[in-house]
Amino acid sequence: NAGVTQTPKFQVLKTGQSMTLQCAQDMNHNSMYWYRQDPGMGLRLIYYSASEGTTDKGEVPNGYNVSRLNKREFSLRLESAAPSQTSVYFCASKGTVNTGELFFGEGSRLTVL
Amino acid sequence: SQQGEEDPQALSIQEGENATMNCSYKTSINNLQWYRQNSGRGLVHLILIRSNEREKHSGRLRVTLDTSKKSSSLLITASRAADTASYFCATVGSSASKIIFGSGTRLSIRP
Repeated sequence: NAGVTQTPKFQVLKTGQSMTLQCAQDMNHNSMYWYRQDPGMGLRLIYYSASEGTTDKGEVPNGYNVSRLNKREFSLRLESAAPSQTSVYFCASKGTVNTGELFFGEGSRLTVL
Repeated sequence: SQQGEEDPQALSIQEGENATMNCSYKTSINNLQWYRQNSGRGLVHLILIRSNEREKHSGRLRVTLDTSKKSSSLLITASRAADTASYFCATVGSSASKIIFGSGTRLSIRP
């Protein structure tokens, strides 16, 4: 049982390049989330998907797009990467609507030069 | 700014002592959760307290919630070296879907 799997784990981009971070969960969870964590900081919510077919903006959505491909997969796309997007990105999922804890992936470290 | 702000930002205590960290938030919540993060890895859920609860225990963890003050505290009793980590509160809004994290407390346990 893998839980939440993120790919890639590490990526280096040049300014202006695009890339997609992939996230998949095998727990049949309804809700999925993308967060970013800058050094020494807390997590900031980028986008979330409360259920398959819906996506909503979080605290810091600018410069990102998401796709809830199906119930298992939630991808995060950077169309034109900027150095300010250098961060560690975490995907998480949650099973129940009213309560329930988040289950996190191990993170994707992105560096934009 | 983030929904949750934590205090203190960093805490260093002797092994065996108790550690208390606090979280304040701004808007109404469905529930509040506490997570632990070791060395930049993914966060691990510790405990959840609903908005109609005032106190909850889980092993060496005790969480309180004061919705009138919009604040919560996490107490770790009889600390161990393995408790060294960053601790984050997370507030779950009334929609029960949007989950916002606080800035975190870095806890160091001295042997």
